[in-house]
Amino acid sequence: DARVTQTPRHKVTEMGQEVTMRCQPILGHNTVFWYRQTMMQGLELLAYFRNRAPLDDSGMPKDRFSAEMPDATLATLKIQPSEPRDSAVYFCASGPGLQETQYFGPGTRLLVL
Amino acid sequence: QKEVEQNSGPLSVPEGAIASLNCTYSDRVSQSFFWYRQYSGKSPELIMSIYSNGDKEDGRFTAQLNKASQYVSLLIRDSQPSDSATYLCAVNIRWGKLQFGAGTQVVVTP
Repeated sequence: DARVTQTPRHKVTEMGQEVTMRCQPILGHNTVFWYRQTMMQGLELLAYFRNRAPLDDSGMPKDRFSAEMPDATLATLKIQPSEPRDSAVYFCASGPGLQETQYFGPGTRLLVL
Repeated sequence: QKEVEQNSGPLSVPEGAIASLNCTYSDRVSQSFFWYRQYSGKSPELIMSIYSNGDKEDGRFTAQLNKASQYVSLLIRDSQPSDSATYLCAVNIRWGKLQFGAGTQVVVTP
């Protein structure tokens, strides 16, 4: 049963600390997406990749967030420095193509104190 | 104006009845549309994808798409308590970029 995996599942940190979230997409999927979900804003697209190349990161605060795909099996989302307003659930999703279904991972629940 | 709009609910549905969820979108060039279900504290899971005008049925679920009216809907027949969740409408507004609605909360009452 192929699934997107994310680590860590939960993260509590203090303001100013660096946070790194990792995602392993489903094997064979060439598109990877990072989303953030909050009660106020709902589900927002932060950035996405196709064949490891970034296609769009316009949803991401550029000064503190960065997203990379070091290889086809790993995507990372970093926040440095973290702020309380970054508290949210961060989802990674992968898909077999840009017009195809996106499959979501379990999410990383981040709390910045 | 939001690009994808849904009624937030909650939509209360008696067990066994039909739940009808609606979604409108603003980008006329959108080509693919999705309904996701999200249980509290869980990740979105795909219920249905639809790409062409008309109806698409999968078990108790039917998605309906009308591109001329920029409208997509989801019907849940014979609603069960396990259908109680938030249903998210998602529209592919351009190459891979999914825009999600705020979601409609469905509560199925025994």
